Amino acid sequence: QVQLEESGGGVVQPGGSLRLTCAASGFTFSDHAIHWVRQAPGKGLEWVALIWYDGSDKYYVGPVRGRFTISRDNAKNKVYLQMSSLTLEDTALYYCARDRSEHGGFGGAFDVWGHGTLVTVSS
Amino acid sequence: QSVLTQPPSASETPGQRVTISCSGSGSNIASNAVNWYQHLPGTAPKLLIYGNNRRPSGVPDRFSASTSGTSASLVISGLQSEDEADYYCASWDDSLTHVVFGGGTKVTVL
Repeated sequence: QVQLEESGGGVVQPGGSLRLTCAASGFTFSDHAIHWVRQAPGKGLEWVALIWYDGSDKYYVGPVRGRFTISRDNAKNKVYLQMSSLTLEDTALYYCARDRSEHGGFGGAFDVWGHGTLVTVSS
Repeated sequence: QSVLTQPPSASETPGQRVTISCSGSGSNIASNAVNWYQHLPGTAPKLLIYGNNRRPSGVPDRFSASTSGTSASLVISGLQSEDEADYYCASWDDSLTHVVFGGGTKVTVL
């Protein structure tokens, strides 16, 4: 079936780095943009990053720009989120989500979500 | 502070109607599609409405939505206990060049 699965979360010290992976299955991965969305403890959903279906375009929310890098390997059906210079404010459950449209990404409609991977930044 | 503004909470008795508002601006709601998500604790968010007012297959027609100018609304008719969840609006923002979410509205079924 159509699914996404995140991995790579864990506990990291402030200033550290972590790489999250989003593995896809059950659909034509190369047709869809993929987004990362996070939820800090007790807070709402926050969009983090977007990578176009072919990797040609990438977008980031302000607080992570310059620190996070999104990439994808369509041959492996995977998207990555490389996170560096992590701060306490990056502590959150990180979800990857599929953009509903094919060959699009500006709609903000995410029809398939993973269950999330927890990132905890703590000294 | 979220770019899209939602009331933090809403409540109603079973069978009644709840309306959740989402206020934005010319660079998001007025220019781009609005989408709505239902999020139950411990689960992945679920796409409830896309393209302003379209329901994915499997979403009951008790859920409906509309937009007008810089605002959007989600209506839950015939409220049921399983509708108790957090609801978020989201849209692309042309100025910020990224997706923006509302702060979320917690719906309680009394």
